[in-house]
Amino acid sequence: KQEVTQIPAALSVPEGENLVLNCSFTDSAIYNLQWFRQDPGKGLTSLLLIQSSQREQTSGRLNASLDKSSGRSTLYIAASQPGDSATYLCAVPSAAGNKLTFGGGTRVLVKP
Amino acid sequence: GAGVSQSPSNKVTEKGKDVELRCDPISGHTALYWYRQRLGQGLEFLIYFQGNSAPDKSGLPSDRFSAERTGESVSTLTIQRTQQEDSAVYLCASSLSDASSSIQYFGAGTRLSVL
Repeated sequence: KQEVTQIPAALSVPEGENLVLNCSFTDSAIYNLQWFRQDPGKGLTSLLLIQSSQREQTSGRLNASLDKSSGRSTLYIAASQPGDSATYLCAVPSAAGNKLTFGGGTRVLVKP
Repeated sequence: GAGVSQSPSNKVTEKGKDVELRCDPISGHTALYWYRQRLGQGLEFLIYFQGNSAPDKSGLPSDRFSAERTGESVSTLTIQRTQQEDSAVYLCASSLSDASSSIQYFGAGTRLSVL
């Protein structure tokens, strides 16, 4: 059974610092890994989807890396801003492709 | 539509009542998913639709929960005889194909409170 873990559960940084968010998964036979952002009281917004064949994926200030063999992905957010404050979730699809298994999330606070 | 739409956004009900939650996926998306997020907890998978069929209902927590999808579009999640532990945010997502190859797009959720 796939298990996804995100550590730390919460992170607080001053504005301008780079953010490093970690995600680990137990079964390395994944199709892809997706990073989401969730604002309080809102749904999830997809940030990046990194395919199993890729090592990294970039979008603006966001960069996600994937190391399947070690069961890890890292989301980097450069030059953090207060608007980056949110909960960040990673998720991997099941072998049957019928659902996502989510990590518990990292709650980020960027202080002005 | 432009995104996944869920209604109502908030629902307060009394224990023992039935509730219906609605999801309008992105047009053309064949896959539709329901998840539940209890306060302070992670997202739990409930059910997956491919077209109008539900090949995976494994996440439904009890027989009080049921869901259907019609016209390869709208889906309704029904909870009968609600209990306080059903209180959660219910999230719907859709994707072009299944989760092995497609990004899942989420709605804003329905916050259900059972008193």
